[in-house]
Amino acid sequence: KQEVTQIPAALSVPEGENLVLNCSFTDSAIYNLQWFRQDPGKGLTSLLLIQSSQREQTSGRLNASLDKSSGRSTLYIAASQPGDSATYLCAVTGSNYQLIWGAGTKLIIKP
Amino acid sequence: EAGVAQSPRYKIIEKRQSVAFWCNPISGHATLYWYQQILGQGPKLLIQFQNNGVVDDSQLPKDRFSAERLKGVDSTLKIQPAKLEDSAVYLCASSLGNEQYFGPGTRLTVT
Repeated sequence: KQEVTQIPAALSVPEGENLVLNCSFTDSAIYNLQWFRQDPGKGLTSLLLIQSSQREQTSGRLNASLDKSSGRSTLYIAASQPGDSATYLCAVTGSNYQLIWGAGTKLIIKP
Repeated sequence: EAGVAQSPRYKIIEKRQSVAFWCNPISGHATLYWYQQILGQGPKLLIQFQNNGVVDDSQLPKDRFSAERLKGVDSTLKIQPAKLEDSAVYLCASSLGNEQYFGPGTRLTVT
């Protein structure tokens, strides 16, 4: 059974720092991996999607990597800003195209 | 391209009352998903439709939750009667392939 784990559960850093969020999964048979952002009480915003054949994706200050063989993904945020404060979730697409989710990392960027 | 639409955005009800949520997926998307997201957790799949047929409802509490997707387009999710532990954000998503697109969610508070 696929399990997705995100570490750390919460992270607080000063503005301007580069940071890395981690996601691990137990079954490498995935179609893709996605990183989402969620603001309090709100829906989900898809940030990056990495297909199983890809190694990384970049969008602006965000870079996500995927290592299927080790069951790991990282989300790198460069030059963090207070507006980046949110919960970041990763999810893998498995059988039946269903998403298996991590519990998220709550990120706080201090001005 | 219009995104996934959900209504209402917020709902407050008392326990034992009933409530219904509505979702309109992206045009042409055959697959529709309903998720429940409790505060501090990742989303949990409640039900997956392919057109108007159910693919997976294994985590749907069928004694109180029901969902339908008439004509394979719009979908409604109903809770009757609601319990305090049903307080959550209810997310609808749709997909054509292996990428899901999410609506803004409905935040339900049961008092």
